[in-house]
Amino acid sequence: GEDVEQSLFLSVREGDSSVINCTYTDSSSTYLYWYKQEPGAGLQLLTYIFSNMDMKQDQRLTVLLNKKDKHLSLRIADTQTGDSAIYFCASDEGNFNKFYFGSGTKLNVKP
Amino acid sequence: EAQVTQNPRYLITVTGKKLTVTCSQNMNHEYMSWYRQDPGLGLRQIYYSMNVEVTDKGDVPEGYKVSRKEKRNFPLILESPSPNQTSLYFCASRGRGADGYTFGSGTRLTVV
Repeated sequence: GEDVEQSLFLSVREGDSSVINCTYTDSSSTYLYWYKQEPGAGLQLLTYIFSNMDMKQDQRLTVLLNKKDKHLSLRIADTQTGDSAIYFCASDEGNFNKFYFGSGTKLNVKP
Repeated sequence: EAQVTQNPRYLITVTGKKLTVTCSQNMNHEYMSWYRQDPGLGLRQIYYSMNVEVTDKGDVPEGYKVSRKEKRNFPLILESPSPNQTSLYFCASRGRGADGYTFGSGTRLTVV
């Protein structure tokens, strides 16, 4: 199966930008996803990007995709304390059944 | 409200005592999946289903069974639970669109 890797922790100050990075190995991915998990909750879809796009912006969120390097990033502008959570990137490996998740990046936002 | 409902939210059981975690979705989704989440390992897929009566193994299927007799339900069965199955379990469903899986709230299982 695919390997999806993320760094485990990121700490930022409120109001700064956060950048969470992810690398993946399978070039057949059709879509790549970012999910957010708050304590005690399930995963909530934040955004996704089609594999032939380089960038997608959705309000405070910007997704950048470098297909050549198989690198995906999520930028959160003006990070708030409510953004503190674990963020997972995921790849669909080109089919509807198989989703591969990274191990998650825990974002801590300091006031 | 569109949702995936899992029950129970919390479960403590003893080794070897069969249990079932239920999952139901109200979005008429074809695809359903079970994941387990363990610290430092992210989410790993246990089983998935492409439609009624069509299921297949994910990456960590050992010790689990599933069934898909109706489109909306996808129960996870542990015939003889062991302590290494202590984990946080998520059920998820998706349709054929680009917007990925919708997740349930999770079931925290402890096997003693």
